[in-house]
Amino acid sequence: SAVISQKPSRDICQRGTSLTIQCQVDSQVTMMFWYRQQPGQSLTLIATANQGSEATYESGFVIDKFPISRPNLTFSTLTVSNMSPEDSSIYLCSVGQGLNQPQHFGDGTRLSIL
Amino acid sequence: TQLLEQSPQFLSIQEGENLTVYCNSSSVFSSLQWYRQEPGEGPVLLVTVVTGGEVKKLKRLTFQFGDARKDSSLHITAAQPGDTGLYLCAGAYGGATNKLIFGTGTLLAVQP
Repeated sequence: SAVISQKPSRDICQRGTSLTIQCQVDSQVTMMFWYRQQPGQSLTLIATANQGSEATYESGFVIDKFPISRPNLTFSTLTVSNMSPEDSSIYLCSVGQGLNQPQHFGDGTRLSIL
Repeated sequence: TQLLEQSPQFLSIQEGENLTVYCNSSSVFSSLQWYRQEPGEGPVLLVTVVTGGEVKKLKRLTFQFGDARKDSSLHITAAQPGDTGLYLCAGAYGGATNKLIFGTGTLLAVQP
């Protein structure tokens, strides 16, 4: 299965600032996704990162707040913009290869906003 | 809005006990996946079930997909402390985009 590296693993940020999270995969993958998770709780899909085009966002998430890039088939970034304490969460990227195929996850970025 | 409800939400048991986790929805999914997540790590796939009524076994874990492909269960026999973690079911939807909707999660603690 694909090996996924996420950076940073954790960060503490000031409100009003922005942070970019990187997701690097060791092989080319079809689908890349970004999720948000509160500790001990379930995952919520933010968006699907599309290679060479704009990401597809889920209801409740907008590009201005969570801009996403995917310049190639092995790399994506998620930016959390103008952060507030409500953005404190774990952000995870995952990769998948098609219908009914499992997704493989990075270890996440634990973000705290003061 | 699709929703996957898991029960129980929390479970604390002694080593050697059996348990069942349920995952229920009113929606039909093309497949259902079960993941386990440990602190500081991403979820790791345990199994994928695709066919209604399908039963899969993974050592002491037994997974079942409902006949109507709307629900699933995970049964653990003789639980061990290494089974401790957050268990998540996830339903596949969105066709070829392979999007998943995750269940509400079950936090399991197995005491030695």
